[in-house]
Amino acid sequence: QKEVEQDPGPLSVPEGAIVSLNCTYSNSAFQYFMWYRQYSRKGPELLMYTYSSGNKEDGRFTAQVDKSSKYISLFIRDSQPSDSATYLCAMSDRYSASKIIFGSGTRLSIRP
Amino acid sequence: EAQVTQNPRYLITVTGKKLTVTCSQNMNHEYMSWYRQDPGLGLRQIYYSMNVEVTDKGDVPEGYKVSRKEKRNFPLILESPSPNQTSLYFCASSFLPLPGSQETQYFGPGTRLLVL
Repeated sequence: QKEVEQDPGPLSVPEGAIVSLNCTYSNSAFQYFMWYRQYSRKGPELLMYTYSSGNKEDGRFTAQVDKSSKYISLFIRDSQPSDSATYLCAMSDRYSASKIIFGSGTRLSIRP
Repeated sequence: EAQVTQNPRYLITVTGKKLTVTCSQNMNHEYMSWYRQDPGLGLRQIYYSMNVEVTDKGDVPEGYKVSRKEKRNFPLILESPSPNQTSLYFCASSFLPLPGSQETQYFGPGTRLLVL
């Protein structure tokens, strides 16, 4: 079993829709949770970072962490065609913030 | 301009022929890391370095070597490449991630490697 599971998609939604992206994980020691966005032929870029449980909001993006269920989510409100990309969740534990485990990524397409 | 550069961007080689992929950052970051990205497997960490002369294995270090002689450079060495090392490789750097925080990692543009 992978430490981090992520539905690969592809996920296609109309412009303006709310998008929900999710990851589950098995390691209860994970404390740092991140979402990266990767455009085609580019390196990933950090989108959201959350430490431990709770919600974090940044503009149209909201990251949620539910440690009891070992489940994290990224919500995108008012989705735009420019949001079309692959979204990767990532996490690391309190003992080694520098050792990061990535999900396999979900490919998202926003239809104009 | 703050950036992470990798060279070469594309490389085709044959089994057993040693190669080096260079990575350089101009942000004075302590932390650098190498990943490989494969379809369905996402990004997997190969090696990382917390500072000069300090390196450690990630999840998939077999078949790879690294060195960190200078702060800005972190080359990835494949002593005897095999076809299963065909992949897309990314170098990344950040300030040192400390407990309770996570620094933004800046990724390079990627190196696409094909081993025949």
